[in-house]
Amino acid sequence: QVQLEQSGGEVKKPGASVKVSCKASGYSFTSYGICWVRQAPGEGLEWMGWISIYNGDTNYAQKFQGRVTMTTDTSTSTAYMELRSLRSDDTAMYYCARVIGTTYYYFDFWGQGTLVTVSS
Amino acid sequence: DIQMTQSPSSLSASVGDRVTITCRAGQSISSYLNWYQQKPGKAPKVLIYAAFRLQSGVPSRFSGSGSGTDFTLTISSLQPEDFATYYCQQSYSTPYTFGQGTKVEIK
Repeated sequence: QVQLEQSGGEVKKPGASVKVSCKASGYSFTSYGICWVRQAPGEGLEWMGWISIYNGDTNYAQKFQGRVTMTTDTSTSTAYMELRSLRSDDTAMYYCARVIGTTYYYFDFWGQGTLVTVSS
Repeated sequence: DIQMTQSPSSLSASVGDRVTITCRAGQSISSYLNWYQQKPGKAPKVLIYAAFRLQSGVPSRFSGSGSGTDFTLTISSLQPEDFATYYCQQSYSTPYTFGQGTKVEIK
């Protein structure tokens, strides 16, 4: 069965970086994209960007341009999301999700989430 | 960015009720509209994609309709497991924005 297993929670100081991993199993990793969505405590969902596993192309939300990097390691079927220059308002649950579709894209399987806390 | 606005922000309903949630896009998005359900402490789960297509394994009491700028998610007969927050999301253009969510609570 399709599974996305994310790395554990992190506590970081303002200005630091965090790298969250998302290990995929149960499907052909290179056949789908991976997106990252975050959710601040008590708030809604925010799309951060996505990466094509097939060719490594990325598309980041303008809000995160210059601070986020999404990568993959096809040898381990793992996607990564690095966020730099962390601020307190980056405190959130970060989810990876599989992107499915050829015309109509949507996110059909999700990781369990990784809580990133930014605090001095 | 395309703004997605849901209404209402919350609603109270009873088991067996018919529930309708509305999502409006800031510009036409054709049928590039998805609906997700999220329960507390859990990741979202897709219910409907491409405006009206039911995701495999999702009960048929969930349905979606609309195109252009106005969309609806309908739950024909609310069940206890349906109390959750629902989000619409457009996949017409990046960034793939979400609505602010509609919390469905027990009356």
